[in-house]
Order: sequence, then structure tokens, then C-alpha cells
Amino acid sequence: ETGVTQSPTHLIKTRGQQVTLRCSSQSGHNTVSWYQQALGQGPQFIFQYYREEENGRGNFPPRFSGLQFPNYSSELNVNALELDDSALYLCASSSGGEYYGYTFGSGTRLTVV
Amino acid sequence: QQQVKQSPQSLIVQKGGISIINCAYENTAFDYFPWYQQFPGKGPALLIAIRPDVSEKKEGRFTISFNKSAKQFSLHIMDSQPGDSATYFCAASSMAGGGNKLTFGTGTQLKVEL
Repeated sequence: ETGVTQSPTHLIKTRGQQVTLRCSSQSGHNTVSWYQQALGQGPQFIFQYYREEENGRGNFPPRFSGLQFPNYSSELNVNALELDDSALYLCASSSGGEYYGYTFGSGTRLTVV
Repeated sequence: QQQVKQSPQSLIVQKGGISIINCAYENTAFDYFPWYQQFPGKGPALLIAIRPDVSEKKEGRFTISFNKSAKQFSLHIMDSQPGDSATYFCAASSMAGGGNKLTFGTGTQLKVEL
């Protein structure tokens, strides 16, 4: 199966709760990045994982955390949800190294009420 | 701090016309400049990309023009079609500092009218 798959597609959570978003990377890709896209804005880099290790992080607080598994799938965890966390969360995979091409998933739309 | 500035915010072009979207960057460490196309409810899809060692790259109806000294790059869509109506994002990337994160512009909503 090709492409990046994200689940769930939509999610509604209450302020203060915790959420886990999942991503299956494209076949052959060992690097996964997560982005937050607020309505009407460009995606903002959260962090990147390469071979199960975090190797880059954007300007997001520690309550945003992640994991990458041996099969290169990934999770994004957000604790103590705030209203401003409402956004489209995008996962992107690439083969890393000198190859810059990212393949994005369709995202998870998170609404915090 | 916005490192990639994109304009215009929105653009209306007649079918068959040329769509032009501009971006400017600040970080001279950037060494990869892609353009992404995003339809509603979908993730961004890579359209075309350029490295700073060339001034122009063309793929079909899409062309990137790159001006390294001015730290500017632009996307030209020739013979624009209604199917091109989408949001376009410029981005920039650098391997410096570890990882190859993308820094995106704020997006341009393109509408191609019949």
C-alpha cells in the first residue's frame, strides 16, 4: 500500500483531555514529521522522527510528544488540550537523508471544545 | 517569526491565464524550495521544487523562478484551468541543525474562473 495514512480523520475532544493521533508512513520511508495547520494558515512543523529517534523539533511545548515505531509508523500525543490546539494535524513521511520529498497524509481534524 | 513570506493571499485568474504567486525568504541556509498544492480536506501535495543552484525549473504548465540574490522565488501556472483552483503553499527547507523540516508560507487561495 502506498501513501501516508492517518487516523482518525476527525476528532472532538474537551479542553484538558489527552489525544493520540496515528500515522502510517509511505512504504520505504523511514522519516516521519508532524505538522499543525490552523485554519487559513500554512502548516507549522511540530517535530520529526528518524529511525525511532526525534531529530528536530519546532516551537511547540513539551505537552506535544511523539513516537516512531520499528515499522516507521508514528503517533502524536497531545496532553492537557487547549482550545488553540484545534487544527488539522498532518503527518508527512520521506526517505530521509539527502532526499527532501515529503508525502503528506490527509490529516486529522482535531476540534477542542 | 515568519521566515517565508507569501503573496498574494488570494488570486482570481481567468481560464487560460497565467497565475503568479510570489515568496520571499530570510534564512540563507535554506537549500530546497518546494511548492505544494492543497485541496479542501486533503493534505498538501508536492507540485514542483527547486534547489538554489538553478534559476528556473519547468514541469508541464508549472514553472518555478528563483532569484538567490533577492531571496525570492515564484510559481507560474501557465494556461490556468478550473481544476487548478486550490490553495498553494511555498516552503523552504534546510538540513542545517538536524532534520529537514519545511517552513511554509501562509498560502495563496487560487480560483480559476471560466
